[in-house]
Amino acid sequence: AQSVTQLGSHVSVSEGALVLLRCNYSSSVPPYLFWYVQYPNQGLQLLLKYTSAATLVKGINGFEAEFKKSETSFHLTKPSAHMSDAAEYFCAAAKFGNEKLTFGTGTRLTIIP
Amino acid sequence: DADVTQTPRNRITKTGKRIMLECSQTKGHDRMYWYRQDPGLGLRLIYYSFDVKDINKGEISDGYSVSRQAQAKFSLSLESAIPNQTALYFCATSDSTGFGNIQYFGAGTRLSVL
Repeated sequence: AQSVTQLGSHVSVSEGALVLLRCNYSSSVPPYLFWYVQYPNQGLQLLLKYTSAATLVKGINGFEAEFKKSETSFHLTKPSAHMSDAAEYFCAAAKFGNEKLTFGTGTRLTIIP
Repeated sequence: DADVTQTPRNRITKTGKRIMLECSQTKGHDRMYWYRQDPGLGLRLIYYSFDVKDINKGEISDGYSVSRQAQAKFSLSLESAIPNQTALYFCATSDSTGFGNIQYFGAGTRLSVL
């Protein structure tokens, strides 16, 4: 069964610092990969997705993620954190031809002023 | 107006009661999903439906049932609620064109079973 692992349930960074949220997937075939963000009292919204067109994927709000097949990773980064980035972030994967998403357990990002 | 609407937003009920959570969408999508979110566990799929006549169990369907009343409506029922069904429930939709389709989420229903 496919699984998604997010290392670090809580990450704190200073405002203006680099944000790095880690995601690894387990699959012999590279799946479709997604990052979703959940702001307080809201549903999830898509940040970005990987569908094999390019290994570096740019998303909204200055986030990007790089697909590395050799490391089975899809880490999310942002060069400079902003207070408004405080939220919970979920990595998710879907197998080719199967639209069901498998989610990681989430990483709560806190921004320190 | 939200594209994916969940009602109610909050609900408190007692053990043994039957409860229904409703989801409606205006995105015109064929596919609809129900998830529950628990702290530290992420989102887990309860049921999904790829069209009106298609209903499938997800990874944690025990204790739940669903009804797809129309393309735009997908309801989740707890026949006899129990305290460990206390969670945040999300409905999502996606279209059926291509692969790797984005899922669009409602704002969630926070359910407490006492």
